[in-house]
Amino acid sequence: DGGITQSPKYLFRKEGQNVTLSCEQNLNHDAMYWYRQDPGQGLRLIYYSQIVNDFQKGDIAEGYSVSREKKESFPLTVTSAQKNPTAFYLCASTTRTGSRETQYFGPGTRLLVL
Amino acid sequence: QKEVEQNSGPLSVPEGAIASLNCTYSDRVSQSFFWYRQYSGKSPELIMSIYSNGDKEDGRFTAQLNKASQYVSLLIRDSQPSDSATYLCAGGDTGRRALTFGSGTRLQVQP
Repeated sequence: DGGITQSPKYLFRKEGQNVTLSCEQNLNHDAMYWYRQDPGQGLRLIYYSQIVNDFQKGDIAEGYSVSREKKESFPLTVTSAQKNPTAFYLCASTTRTGSRETQYFGPGTRLLVL
Repeated sequence: QKEVEQNSGPLSVPEGAIASLNCTYSDRVSQSFFWYRQYSGKSPELIMSIYSNGDKEDGRFTAQLNKASQYVSLLIRDSQPSDSATYLCAGGDTGRRALTFGSGTRLQVQP
């Protein structure tokens, strides 16, 4: 059963706490992405990774960190420096056919601050 | 100017009608475009991709790309209440291998 999995579905963060969101894919996709979605808004890019052991900041990387030690895994840590972390977090990966890339999403993690 | 712009809606159409969703983009966005459907509380689901100027049809969906005018549209024929969702337009970023998303258009199909 192939796909992108994210866990947990819901996550609660206390003030000053770091939390890590999991993203795993068994699609053999090289590129993986993290987006944040706030209510009524589109998706904003946090970090992305084209290959293992390499990643780049997106548009709103401050207060977040990532790692890409394995091709299938791209965890996102929301640090205490992120002052407004409440949002819907979406992980995605990309398949490539020739010059064309198509992006697919995991089910998402909803992060709430206590 | 935002890189990808959409009217937030809501766009309300009666069941069986054609729903027309539009998106404009800036020079920073490349020629690869995607339409995603997102139900409330769920993740986006890819419904159409278009890479070349012109129309692309898939079932009840038709995507249209006009490079000269820098707009891309999605037509949904015979709209059903189950089509009620937010539709996100996305384009490839010319400076990096990532997508830039519009803020989405909420579609309501009235039974």
